Amino acid sequence: EAGVTQFPSHSVIEKGQTVTLRCDPISGHDNLYWYRRVMGKEIKFLLHFVKESKQDESGMPNNRFLAERTGGTYSTLKVQPAELEDSGVYFCASSLLLAGEQFFGPGTRLTVL
Amino acid sequence: QQQVKQSPQSLIVQKGGISIINCAYENTAFDYFPWYQQFPGKGPALLIAIRPDVSEKKEGRFTISFNKSAKQFSLHIMDSQPGDSATYFCAASGGSYIPTFGRGTSLIVHP
Repeated sequence: EAGVTQFPSHSVIEKGQTVTLRCDPISGHDNLYWYRRVMGKEIKFLLHFVKESKQDESGMPNNRFLAERTGGTYSTLKVQPAELEDSGVYFCASSLLLAGEQFFGPGTRLTVL
Repeated sequence: QQQVKQSPQSLIVQKGGISIINCAYENTAFDYFPWYQQFPGKGPALLIAIRPDVSEKKEGRFTISFNKSAKQFSLHIMDSQPGDSATYFCAASGGSYIPTFGRGTSLIVHP
């Protein structure tokens, strides 16, 4: 069974540019989560989808971040415009049940210059 | 404001030794305490977890010790192996099921 996949694995952009990260959850997992880890810091929750609906977006830093999950399958996280402090590793995770084990993808390392 | 404090930041252990990573939490509403293991290039993966109704949980060489009154929990890796070299994250969650993570511990086990 395929795990959670994320694309791209690395992205280097300049301040002010736009970047879109993609996450493909495990097939059949209705719950999809986005997290971010700034270097050396804790992994922080960004938001949680149940199918195509945003269940909890309390961790989204500001309105430069837009997450979508059209059709309840894959999800995208767009950062527009990117700022230096947006650099970090963005993880996506999915779970079958709301309180079930979350399976993480390998992450996208975003560097904003 | 760190809700889950993890130490040490890095740890070097000889093969066969015991690795110990400690975490402390503040929110008494937390009732689920997982540990995640992350290898380079991979995402974190659930390693072992405990609920506060028990003080210890063991799975193979990995043991969680939990002290509810002190609001502390720790991961012990017995007979540490080079293959255990990874970053370990403690976490805690409550009713929302969203884990609050510690900052991670980079473990290196020398052969």
